[in-house]
Amino acid sequence: SQQGEEDPQALSIQEGENATMNCSYKTSINNLQWYRQNSGRGLVHLILIRSNEREKHSGRLRVTLDTSKKSSSLLITASRAADTASYFCATDAGGYQKVTFGTGTKLQVIP
Amino acid sequence: GAVVSQHPSWVICKSGTSVKIECRSLDFQATTMFWYRQFPKQSLMLMATSNEGSKATYEQGVEKDKFLINHASLTLSTLTVTSAHPEDSSFYICSAKQGANANEKLFFGSGTQLSVL
Repeated sequence: SQQGEEDPQALSIQEGENATMNCSYKTSINNLQWYRQNSGRGLVHLILIRSNEREKHSGRLRVTLDTSKKSSSLLITASRAADTASYFCATDAGGYQKVTFGTGTKLQVIP
Repeated sequence: GAVVSQHPSWVICKSGTSVKIECRSLDFQATTMFWYRQFPKQSLMLMATSNEGSKATYEQGVEKDKFLINHASLTLSTLTVTSAHPEDSSFYICSAKQGANANEKLFFGSGTQLSVL
């Protein structure tokens, strides 16, 4: 079953603009991760934020986590056409427990 | 970084045949691997958790006898779709965790597109 829901489902922006995607989840987590998927391919890990962290940066990516609201956001700054992909949040209860994925946001960056 | 190899990348088969998909961790040992199914334009649905040396843990609604999972070694898990039917056509993806630490990211295979005629 899905743990997370993401919004928007689809997002279309101009190159250079910022893209923000949100993820809400239901149960307690150990960490939350964001992944990227190009069409018809496997997923690539972008960033992991622990449950005791509130914000994390990696290059043009900024992730926030609000455990009280059970929500997270992914911000991609200065978007590029190559950022066009689907983005998924995933929640992990830790250890060998399963990782479950959100519904995903399909991002299109128009050159 | 760690690499997970999945093959075949795509397979077309006749209805009623069985298809085996392999997932290998190339440069690390994966005690646990996960198998997902993804329909077009949808998210990944976890099918089962594959544990080396023990039986897989299947998610609710996933038929154990239909989707056979074997994790015989620390670097290889296989998913066999038995007596495949057109409704089994989907994109199947495996992933692995490198360890059991509290904060471990997943490494994904490139996926297998299965088309059952």
